[in-house]
Amino acid sequence: DVKVTQSSRYLVKRTGEKVFLECVQDMDHENMFWYRQDPGLGLRLIYFSYDVKMKEKGDIPEGYSVSREKKERFSLILESASTNQTSMYLCASGLEHSEKLFFGSGTQLSVL
Amino acid sequence: AQKVTQAQTEISVVEKEDVTLDCVYETRDTTYYLFWYKQPPSGELVFLIRRNSFDEQNEISGRYSWNFQKSTSSFNFTITASQVVDSAVYFCALRLYNFNKFYFGSGTKLNVKP
Repeated sequence: DVKVTQSSRYLVKRTGEKVFLECVQDMDHENMFWYRQDPGLGLRLIYFSYDVKMKEKGDIPEGYSVSREKKERFSLILESASTNQTSMYLCASGLEHSEKLFFGSGTQLSVL
Repeated sequence: AQKVTQAQTEISVVEKEDVTLDCVYETRDTTYYLFWYKQPPSGELVFLIRRNSFDEQNEISGRYSWNFQKSTSSFNFTITASQVVDSAVYFCALRLYNFNKFYFGSGTKLNVKP
């Protein structure tokens, strides 16, 4: 079975901190995605990557950056966390044509 | 622009009732995929089904069935004889054929009470 692992299930950080959310997949998928899930808004795409060191902005990239140094790992970085970045963050991966996505269990981030 | 609308924010039913979750999508592209995902309380979205725009056949998988109608741009999901384990948030999504970007609806939370 495909496994997408997110490093933390719950995370509490302070305003202004630099935050790293890590995601690892074990199925050699080309594509990896970071989504943010908020009540009433569904899933919104922050960034995605279609290959090592390649990335593209999604719908809401402001305040975020990403890193993909190895195929299996895709990191989301909050350069200076703010309270409006309190949310559930979901990582997903998929094959090149992404016929379907495989999701991690999510990281609930609270920024105080 | 692409858009997926799930107008039902939350639905509550009693076990063994049938329930239909609505999904309406917007796109000008003629080639696309539609998906349903289930998000149980554990948080991980689980893939349920994918349909491509050329295939309007309805599909049944056990208690689950999907009705795809291009004429109304709808891709509705019906659970027959619902069970408590069906309680989850369900997301409908759209992906254009040549793009890796998925467009998700806002989700419908289904509560199945014993």
